[in-house]
Amino acid sequence: NAGVMQNPRHLVRRRGQEARLRCSPMKGHSHVYWYRQLPEEGLKFMVYLQKENIIDESGMPKERFSAEFPKEGPSILRIQQVVRGDSAAYFCASSPLRDTQYFGPGTRLTVL
Amino acid sequence: DAKTTQPNSMESNEEEPVHLPCNHSTISGTDYIHWYRQLPSQGPEYVIHGLTSNVNNRMASLAIAEDRKSSTLILHRATLRDAAVYYCILRRPITQGGSEKLVFGKGTKLTVNP
Repeated sequence: NAGVMQNPRHLVRRRGQEARLRCSPMKGHSHVYWYRQLPEEGLKFMVYLQKENIIDESGMPKERFSAEFPKEGPSILRIQQVVRGDSAAYFCASSPLRDTQYFGPGTRLTVL
Repeated sequence: DAKTTQPNSMESNEEEPVHLPCNHSTISGTDYIHWYRQLPSQGPEYVIHGLTSNVNNRMASLAIAEDRKSSTLILHRATLRDAAVYYCILRRPITQGGSEKLVFGKGTKLTVNP
């Protein structure tokens, strides 16, 4: 059973560009979570989604950030007009039925 | 959410047991104690969780104090691959007013010496 997959693993963007981060949950998992880890800091929750629904987005910045988990395909975390402060590692986790969360390897975003 | 307190760092020697403490004096009766770890440049990895009784799995053991105000993650024989940041996290069931998100503190950075 493949684990949580994230791509790309590394992403470089210039200020003002858009970043799209993808997360494929483990097979059979319908719950997806996104977390962000800024350099030298702990992981912070961003958003929790189920298929086609955002359940909790209390950790998402109010502007430029959005997330979706369509009926088919991976979950997408989208950051518009990136700024240097968005440079971080973004981790996706999935779980079945609100259970233990299994994390992917992360996407390391660098904004130049 | 109830708060947890962990030492910033600990050191161990390879093949020796490691006891990683966590204090959670404000824990409520329905909070589960979860442990995750994060190896360098990787995503967090679930280790173990428990409510009241001690728990064992292939990775580690979890010893929970009788009053539940503290717990200890035990790695029976540390290996170099166990070097990681270990997080102690409290989770309250949704039915008891909890949320889905994991709240990570700073954790304990474990160094394993060869």
